[in-house]
Amino acid sequence: AQKVTQAQTEISVVEKEDVTLDCVYETRDTTYYLFWYKQPPSGELVFLIRRNSFDEQNEISGRYSWNFQKSTSSFNFTITASQVVDSAVYFCALSVVVMDSSYKLIFGSGTRLLVRP
Amino acid sequence: DGGITQSPKYLFRKEGQNVTLSCEQNLNHDAMYWYRQDPGQGLRLIYYSQIVNDFQKGDIAEGYSVSREKKESFPLTVTSAQKNPTAFYLCASSTTGPYNEQFFGPGTRLTVL
Repeated sequence: AQKVTQAQTEISVVEKEDVTLDCVYETRDTTYYLFWYKQPPSGELVFLIRRNSFDEQNEISGRYSWNFQKSTSSFNFTITASQVVDSAVYFCALSVVVMDSSYKLIFGSGTRLLVRP
Repeated sequence: DGGITQSPKYLFRKEGQNVTLSCEQNLNHDAMYWYRQDPGQGLRLIYYSQIVNDFQKGDIAEGYSVSREKKESFPLTVTSAQKNPTAFYLCASSTTGPYNEQFFGPGTRLTVL
C-alpha cells in the first residue's frame, strides 16, 4: 500500500513553543518524493518543501526544519518558536507513479495546528 | 500575476442539478488536478490531466466529469450522480514529473441544498 499517515489530528501550543508535526509514509517505490503543504484559514494550499528519497539531509528554513529518516519512513516537520500566524492545517504528501509516467500526490489527513497567544 | 483562479468561491445548488466549477491557470503548466476536501480530512484526487485533450480518473471520480480543451483551463462538473457533493474543491497545476510541487487555487466551497 502507498499511503501517508499523520496521526496527530490537532495540536495546540502557546506562542513561542516548539512543535513537531509527524508524518509517516508507506511506498513500494525506491525513488519517491515527499512534500509538506500549509493550508491557512483562507483554504489555499501553500507549498513548503520537497524532499527526494536519495537526500536524507535535514533542512532548515528560518523557523522551519524538516527531519527525513528513511529507516523509519518518517518526514517530520518542526516549527521553532511558533507564532500565531503558524496556525493552519499542515499536510504531508507522497508522490507516486500512477501509470504511463504520470504521477499523483497522496495526502495525509492533515494536522491542525493552533498557536495561542 | 501568475497563478490559479477558481470561481466562484462559494456556490449553492439544489439537489439534482449539475454544476460546473471553473479552474484557470496562467503558469504554463501541462498538468492539472482536481481535489475534494471534506471537513477534517485530507485531499482526495478526483481527476487529473497531464496534457491537453487527455485526462484520467483519480480515486473518487464517480459522479464527476472534466474536460481539457485548453492548456489553461480544466473545468469540473459535479453531476447529479454524485451522492454527496457538498465539499471544498481545490484545483492545482504543475509541470509534469514526480518531483514538481503542485500550485493550488483558492478553492470553491460547494453546498448542495
